[in-house]
Amino acid sequence: GENVEQHPSTLSVQEGDSAVIKCTYSDSASNYFPWYKQELGKRPQLIIDIRSNVGEKKDQRIAVTLNKTAKHFSLHITETQPEDSAVYFCAASIGGNNRLAFGKGNQVVVIP
Amino acid sequence: DVKVTQSSRYLVKRTGEKVFLECVQDMDHENMFWYRQDPGLGLRLIYFSYDVKMKEKGDIPEGYSVSREKKERFSLILESASTNQTSMYLCASSRWGDLEPQHFGDGTRLSIL
Repeated sequence: GENVEQHPSTLSVQEGDSAVIKCTYSDSASNYFPWYKQELGKRPQLIIDIRSNVGEKKDQRIAVTLNKTAKHFSLHITETQPEDSAVYFCAASIGGNNRLAFGKGNQVVVIP
Repeated sequence: DVKVTQSSRYLVKRTGEKVFLECVQDMDHENMFWYRQDPGLGLRLIYFSYDVKMKEKGDIPEGYSVSREKKERFSLILESASTNQTSMYLCASSRWGDLEPQHFGDGTRLSIL
């Protein structure tokens, strides 16, 4: 089955710097890759997603890039702010059955 | 905006009790999911349903069952609660299809004493 791995598990950045989280997946049939942000005590919320026919997608300070050949996709956060501190989960679709396989999450800490 | 509502934010039960966790979504989504979230283990799928009365086992179904009698409601049942089922439980829903995001509820923090 699909296996999704996230690196690094914890990331600390100075406010204003960029943060990059990378995920790898195993199933070449995966074609949808969402990213979720979960603040402490709150629900995971979709922040950006990308489909396999697109290499990059940007929404203000966040962007996602996809390399289907290498089977990895990354979340980029620019000009980080304290409110970006959260756990970020990547996911990949499991072909044909409406499911998502989630990574274990990255704790991002933005230091003021 | 999608609304996924879980019946309780916090729940405390005793070992051996039968426990029901309820989830309701208001967007006419075909798919509904139950996950448990534990530190360091991420989101693990317990069960999911793609239609009324239909269910599929996820990665960790042991000790759980589910019920979907109406499209908007998906229930998770702990048949005989055990302490190792103490966890955060998250419900999610999505439209049918492989390119659809899942929308999560606020979660139920369940403690089994």
